[in-house]
Amino acid sequence: DQQVKQNSPSLSVQEGRISILNCDYTNSMFDYFLWYKKYPAEGPTFLISISSIKDKNEDGRFTVFLNKSAKHLSLHIVPSQPGDSAVYFCAAVSQGGSEKLVFGKGTKLTVNP
Amino acid sequence: DVKVTQSSRYLVKRTGEKVFLECVQDMDHENMFWYRQDPGLGLRLIYFSYDVKMKEKGDIPEGYSVSREKKERFSLILESASTNQTSMYLCASSLFWTTRGYTFGSGTRLTVV
Repeated sequence: DQQVKQNSPSLSVQEGRISILNCDYTNSMFDYFLWYKKYPAEGPTFLISISSIKDKNEDGRFTVFLNKSAKHLSLHIVPSQPGDSAVYFCAAVSQGGSEKLVFGKGTKLTVNP
Repeated sequence: DVKVTQSSRYLVKRTGEKVFLECVQDMDHENMFWYRQDPGLGLRLIYFSYDVKMKEKGDIPEGYSVSREKKERFSLILESASTNQTSMYLCASSLFWTTRGYTFGSGTRLTVV
């Protein structure tokens, strides 16, 4: 049973436009959410996170939005750059629980020049 | 910065061999994890450890074992390698909890022939 779902395996956008990556979760105990970015032949690296007490967190070109009632979060990248081409993983955790991150299957973003 | 080092970037092993994948972290993290990444399947947790000599099974432990004799080192063992264990293996570590989640190593691409 997938608790964290990234329903789009891939996304292609033009350089300079907005990229929106989506993530849904089913476990209402999750209270902290993270996005990781992964290039081929490298390990995932932390990108941005959000606590369930917030609905938005921004870091430069990257913004994560959280809609708790819909159990949905999204990562916005504006403007998109070719160097953003990577696989993006959404992850969730219940901080009072096992402390283990639960990952989605990832979305491969391609930003075309 | 925390560094998680995986001993090999690429490995080729024969079916039936016993394979050791080594991971070392340098920041005194309590938790260490082994994942495998496969296309379309995302990151799947094999084993994790929250203390020396402690280990717990993840989602796909079959065919694998682990060893954590020292806090900084977490080894993944393929008892008898099979072709379906060809994959990218990722080690990660974390403090008991941080807002940045896990730090990943660069990965080991294992091919079993």
